[in-house]
Amino acid sequence: DAGITQSPRHKVTETGTPVTLRCHQTENHRYMYWYRQDPGHGLRLIHYSYGVKDTDKGEVSDGYSVSRSKTEDFLLTLESATSSQTSVYFCAISEGTGEYWRGYTFGSGTRLTVV
Amino acid sequence: GQQVMQIPQYQHVQEGEDFTTYCNSSTTLSNIQWYKQRPGGHPVFLIQLVKSGEVKKQKRLTFQFGEAKKNSSLHITATQTTDVGTYFCAGMRITQGGSEKLVFGKGMKLTVNP
Repeated sequence: DAGITQSPRHKVTETGTPVTLRCHQTENHRYMYWYRQDPGHGLRLIHYSYGVKDTDKGEVSDGYSVSRSKTEDFLLTLESATSSQTSVYFCAISEGTGEYWRGYTFGSGTRLTVV
Repeated sequence: GQQVMQIPQYQHVQEGEDFTTYCNSSTTLSNIQWYKQRPGGHPVFLIQLVKSGEVKKQKRLTFQFGEAKKNSSLHITATQTTDVGTYFCAGMRITQGGSEKLVFGKGMKLTVNP
């Protein structure tokens, strides 16, 4: 879908270690998003980007940082992983505008476990 | 903050039955979107509703946007096992700063008894 690749697909890490998740897209989309999905909470926005070096916080941004040095890559970093950050992380891009809007396209997700 | 509530959270139906799920927002939305996530998969965009009272159909799925643009419904006719998954609504609103913010509901998990 829309050339979105997330890596890694699965990761187990220890509490207190930094972790970086990568989202790569091949179609020059301006807007990119990071969501986490947890049972009972649905999808919650962590951070988003509206261009190279332009990022903003979502509703659950504490403990996370992002970077976008190139259009195609949006990185999510857990500065010091905690067990509460065990989750499935989805990257998304938005396609089209106005009447040509095609919704958000999500990557396949990264399942992160913090032990 | 803005909430988008989906009811019910779980729905179990017999194959062939019809059912409706609802999405309600505390604030007026500029549009509402629906997504489907199969077990183990990622959310996939189904449709967007923009106009007050809008109704759109996709085969056995009928989507409706309320007149006040605060609620939406998804009706599935003659449910099939391929309909299994979690359905999310997501409401888009314009913030005071003029930016768009998409808020997802917690999802409605559908299981089907064949």
